[in-house]
Amino acid sequence: EIVMTQSPATLSVSPGERATLSCRASQSVSSNLAWYQQKPGQAPRLLIYGASTRATGIPARFSGSGSGTEFTLTISSLQSEDFAVYYCQQYNNWPQTFGQGTKLEIK
Amino acid sequence: EVQLVESGGVVVQPGGSLRLSCAASGFTFDDYTMHWVRQAPGKGLEWVSLISWDGGATYYADSMKGRFTISRDNSKNSLYLQMNSLRTEDTAFYYCAKDERRYSYGALDYWGQGTLVTVSS
Repeated sequence: EIVMTQSPATLSVSPGERATLSCRASQSVSSNLAWYQQKPGQAPRLLIYGASTRATGIPARFSGSGSGTEFTLTISSLQSEDFAVYYCQQYNNWPQTFGQGTKLEIK
Repeated sequence: EVQLVESGGVVVQPGGSLRLSCAASGFTFDDYTMHWVRQAPGKGLEWVSLISWDGGATYYADSMKGRFTISRDNSKNSLYLQMNSLRTEDTAFYYCAKDERRYSYGALDYWGQGTLVTVSS
């Protein structure tokens, strides 16, 4: 099973600033990597798939990069609605696996 | 508009069985792989299982193999998860999710609101 490790566990950033979230895979997942956002009491929402393609309706301030084992989600200018938990997921191998999440909180 | 509506979550005793359902609408159901993902209260996401668009292929997380069975009825636009030999650690919200790729396997682009399964004596 591929282990996905996200860092940091919690990230404190001020509105308007840039946030950078990391995800590392225990072996290569090529570009088969997705990012999800989850707010309290809600289902997850797909942000990025294929490591760098924004899902439908996702603002341009969200961007993804990386391939192989190292991936990054960048939020260029944080809005109040962006404070949430973010998960990465690999779908290159069975079983598909999620990272443990990064909580993005207001500084 | 894509909609996924889960049902069937209840309180069940350890060792018991339960069948979850997911009613899908707003897309061509039999073109897409479907998934179940779960989340224990206050914890992270855990992928459970998937079934291919035609039901011909199924995959499971290791901890669910032999206990859970995923199935689908394309004539009813419905997805199911049969859960047997339930354990307290199976307590979670169970989400139904749609794959973003047609006739393949990819990320999960639409999710239901989840149904809560509680395993407790």
